[in-house]
Amino acid sequence: GQNIDQPTEMTATEGAIVQINCTYQTSGFNGLFWYQQHAGEAPTFLSYNVLDGLEEKGRFSSFLSRSKGYSYLLLKELQMKDSASYLCAAVGGATNKLIFGTGTLLAVQP
Amino acid sequence: DVKVTQSSRYLVKRTGEKVFLECVQDMDHENMFWYRQDPGLGLRLIYFSYDVKMKEKGDIPEGYSVSREKKERFSLILESASTNQTSMYLCASTWDSWGNQPQHFGDGTRLSIL
Repeated sequence: GQNIDQPTEMTATEGAIVQINCTYQTSGFNGLFWYQQHAGEAPTFLSYNVLDGLEEKGRFSSFLSRSKGYSYLLLKELQMKDSASYLCAAVGGATNKLIFGTGTLLAVQP
Repeated sequence: DVKVTQSSRYLVKRTGEKVFLECVQDMDHENMFWYRQDPGLGLRLIYFSYDVKMKEKGDIPEGYSVSREKKERFSLILESASTNQTSMYLCASTWDSWGNQPQHFGDGTRLSIL
């Protein structure tokens, strides 16, 4: 079967670092995306990993371990505007569709 | 920048009505998608299209149909709306058929069926 798991909610403090984990099971795995979605807005692309390792992009980094079916999104120097839902999505199946997790709602507190 | 435009942000319809949700993208993308997003369930794929007049069922196609008469426009149709179709509907597009490039999403249509 196909399944994506990520925590439902997380809370962190402004200026801190937070790690959002995602585990996945999918046939024909072909990469993993992270999207950010503010309330009432469209999801926006953050990162894509297809090979094992860490991809760094400014304050945001994403890690993938294909052998463990595991990814995380690391947010550094948290800002209030980072309060949003973070969606993990694996590419897989016969048609390379996106399979989304339920999203992690991150609340950044002062 | 890619622009994906959904015709309505909010829509209220009655049970049994035929409902059309429209989506237009301006980047000549071959691939377009319709999702619904519900609390605790995440985004679920309803239908997608790889080309004009082509359509493929996603994970939850029941009660929906789609139309792709022009490359830039992908319409979602609720044949006979029911209350369990109350949801946020998101349209997306991408040029990549292999899943390696990000999908670009519209702002969504919040549909309420009374």
